[in-house]
Amino acid sequence: KAGVTQTPRYLIKTRGQQVTLSCSPISGHRSVSWYQQTPGQGLQFLFEYFSETQRNKGNFPGRFSGRQFSNSRSEMNVSTLELGDSALYLCASSDGLAGVVQYFGPGTRLTVT
Amino acid sequence: AQKVTQAQTEISVVEKEDVTLDCVYETRDTTYYLFWYKQPPSGELVFLIRRNSFDEQNEISGRYSWNFQKSTSSFNFTITASQVVDSAVYFCALSDSYTGTASKLTFGTGTRLQVTL
Repeated sequence: KAGVTQTPRYLIKTRGQQVTLSCSPISGHRSVSWYQQTPGQGLQFLFEYFSETQRNKGNFPGRFSGRQFSNSRSEMNVSTLELGDSALYLCASSDGLAGVVQYFGPGTRLTVT
Repeated sequence: AQKVTQAQTEISVVEKEDVTLDCVYETRDTTYYLFWYKQPPSGELVFLIRRNSFDEQNEISGRYSWNFQKSTSSFNFTITASQVVDSAVYFCALSDSYTGTASKLTFGTGTRLQVTL
């Protein structure tokens, strides 16, 4: 099976702009979770989508949003970018059951200037 | 609330040495899951092992072994005869049903392992 794919891999944006990141899960997986990784805050959970519904949400401002399509592909959007949004954004795929292994994609490295 | 502590920020060893990475967790749940992931310089998190709270058996997989002790809330990871390819950041993570779905992973801050020749 193909692994989790994320596009784009690298992105440079200017403060105030918005950005959309994409994640395609492993075939058959219905859950996609998003994580932000920064040197200061480490790995933090953003949100999880399961069968097109947001099922869980972390402590991030409303500028961070996401959605999931019927084919389980997910997008996350960050509006009004701030310098502090510079990070590696990782998505993880699973079948959504409790405690199952989440498989991660290679990440999108976002730089905000 | 859940919390994962990896007190070792960075460890340096010479190849063929054994090394243990510590992980201590906190949770109010009786059903929970523990994980170890490896993050090489490429950035992708690679799954290594999962343990549920009802299974305290230690596990060995090749040069890797894991010691899960509920009494001390620890889930330590040992690499035997380390190799340069083991150089990476290692994360311990916890998920439990307290968050409602048990799909959210709470990560420790990671331990950077540097193996030199």
